Amino acid sequence: GAVVSQHPSRVICKSGTSVKIECRSLDFQATTMFWYRQFPKQSLMLMATSNEGSKATYEQGVEKDKFLINHASLTLSTLTVTSAHPEDSSFYICSASNLAGAGNTGELFFGEGSRLTVL
Amino acid sequence: AQSVTQLGSHVSVSEGALVLLRCNYSSSVPPYLFWYVQYPNQGLQLLLKYTSAATLVKGINGFEAEFKKSETSFHLTKPSAHMSDAAEYFCAVSWGNDMRFGAGTRLTVKP
Repeated sequence: GAVVSQHPSRVICKSGTSVKIECRSLDFQATTMFWYRQFPKQSLMLMATSNEGSKATYEQGVEKDKFLINHASLTLSTLTVTSAHPEDSSFYICSASNLAGAGNTGELFFGEGSRLTVL
Repeated sequence: AQSVTQLGSHVSVSEGALVLLRCNYSSSVPPYLFWYVQYPNQGLQLLLKYTSAATLVKGINGFEAEFKKSETSFHLTKPSAHMSDAAEYFCAVSWGNDMRFGAGTRLTVKP
């Protein structure tokens, strides 16, 4: 099956610093990757849709200058939380779409998630 | 507006009892439907999916779900709950390349 890997799984940083989270599709090419944020005991909130080689599309209310997304290749997308503050602490999850499979059923493959704690 | 609703944020069952987690969608076009499970501090794992083939879909870990177009539902069931089934369950809908999630249902299994 399609595998998506996220790194790091946990990160702790000081307020004001920037943190980068990587999302890789290990055995398929992902033309589209998605970034979600999940607060405790809540559902996944879509932050942005990332297409390879183009600018990400951000959901309403998500600051694009705060959450920088880069999708430079078909297997890698990165999320950089810039000038992080305690309120940015959350669980971030990426997913990828495998359009090369037998028909696009809309299934997404998820990374393991990254827990960010900003002190 | 296209949306997905999970009835019941928390379901508690005894070990060995039937598990029923409810999911309804709102859409003029039948979507692709999914159930995912999430364990603490982990990503989402696909349990099963409906992609316009058989309306009764069997997934992993003994779960299954039935797509009912007339009721716009895709409820998840398991005949006999196991302690290891305790987790958060998300129903999701997709219309090709845009997936939306329900609010989630936390399943607790009592010994």
